Amino acid sequence: QVTLRESGPALVRPTQTLTLTCSFSGFSLSGGEVCFSWIRQPPGKGLEWLARIDWDDDEFYNSSLRARLTISKDTSTDQVLLTLTNVGPEDAATYFCARHNRAGDYGEAFDYWGPGTLVTVSS
Amino acid sequence: SYVLTQPPSVSAAPGETAKITCGGTDLGSKVVHWSQQRPGQAPLLLIYYDSGRPSGIPERFSGSNSGSTATLTISRVEAGDEADYYCHLWDSDSGQFVFGTGTKVTVL
Repeated sequence: QVTLRESGPALVRPTQTLTLTCSFSGFSLSGGEVCFSWIRQPPGKGLEWLARIDWDDDEFYNSSLRARLTISKDTSTDQVLLTLTNVGPEDAATYFCARHNRAGDYGEAFDYWGPGTLVTVSS
Repeated sequence: SYVLTQPPSVSAAPGETAKITCGGTDLGSKVVHWSQQRPGQAPLLLIYYDSGRPSGIPERFSGSNSGSTATLTISRVEAGDEADYYCHLWDSDSGQFVFGTGTKVTVL
């Protein structure tokens, strides 16, 4: 059974760095062309894609946030990390991790999502 | 960067058909996916590769993509279809995923 779960601080101070972790299970990074993305959703608003990391360590970023974002993965712990620097009120959102398998039936469609983690930005 | 535009809302009575559009430049030459997001939940994949349906998704959901518009069609609408719907694609030119603006479906 494939599962993804996000974790991280519920509250972040302005100007701080936010670090989020996506822990996954039920599949192996070596079992196909598995890729992970981070996606966020401000309260009452739409989905915004942030970053992607592939099985072969290729990284892709939302161009408008590129300077503040870093995505990485740890295959030894089955985790994907996202850091967002210099956080501001506009970064308050639910953050989701999602995967797709380029070599799978669904290609670049997100077939599994975590439940999301809500991040509030306040001093 | 590439932009996908959806109507903010669509409504339909139970049993009717709801159509949700997703517009973008030369969209028909790209691959579009659709997800459903119920309140308080993570999105769920509904349609992949323009018109494919993952296992477990009812046949009432179908997709098409041509010209500058992709369309998600919900046939025989049910109360449980009330949700937000998003199109998305991988824009290989910019190396970014792009989400549509989202459409809220209301069942009358």
